[in-house]
Amino acid sequence: SQELEQSPQSLIVQEGKNLTINCTSSKTLYGLYWYKQKYGEGLIFLMMLQKGGEEKSHEKITAKLDEKKQQSSLHITASQPSHAGIYLCGAVPLSGTYKYIFGTGTRLKVLA
Amino acid sequence: NAGVTQTPKFQVLKTGQSMTLQCAQDMNHNSMYWYRQDPGMGLRLIYYSASEGTTDKGEVPNGYNVSRLNKREFSLRLESAAPSQTSVYFCASSEHVGTVRGEQFFGPGTRLTVL
Repeated sequence: SQELEQSPQSLIVQEGKNLTINCTSSKTLYGLYWYKQKYGEGLIFLMMLQKGGEEKSHEKITAKLDEKKQQSSLHITASQPSHAGIYLCGAVPLSGTYKYIFGTGTRLKVLA
Repeated sequence: NAGVTQTPKFQVLKTGQSMTLQCAQDMNHNSMYWYRQDPGMGLRLIYYSASEGTTDKGEVPNGYNVSRLNKREFSLRLESAAPSQTSVYFCASSEHVGTVRGEQFFGPGTRLTVL
């Protein structure tokens, strides 16, 4: 079955630093979604990317999808303690399927 | 709007007991899903309902049954709980246009322990 590889698995950064989380598939994706999960809580939707080369930003978070639609990155600029949590990428691996797949997550800690 | 709600939030069962996890959404979404989240394994799809009246198996359906009661509600039943079903369960809903799948909205989760 198709998988999403996320890296790194965990990340500790000093407040104010930039960071990048990657999400990679061996096959073309038909929708890429980024979520944030606080410990012990549900997933909060951040951004959705559909087209190759697409880039979206919200506040200090930018997500990109490569032209082949196989790799996405999530970049946080000037990190803050409020950015701490688990970031998960999800994707639709086949056009029209309802079977979303998810990466195993990246645990982010931001030191004040 | 409450979004996606789940009950209960916590549950402890003994091996062999049965229970039903409830999920409801108020966003008028067509599709609903049940996932389990285990350490190091991410989210795995148990069952989904593409639209009212339909249900289909996901990646890990064994030991579970589901019911799409109406457009709002999608329940997950464990007929005979096993320790391997100890996990955090999430319900989600989404909308779609043709073959384009929208983002999923998740409930707060149910933390289940089977002794």
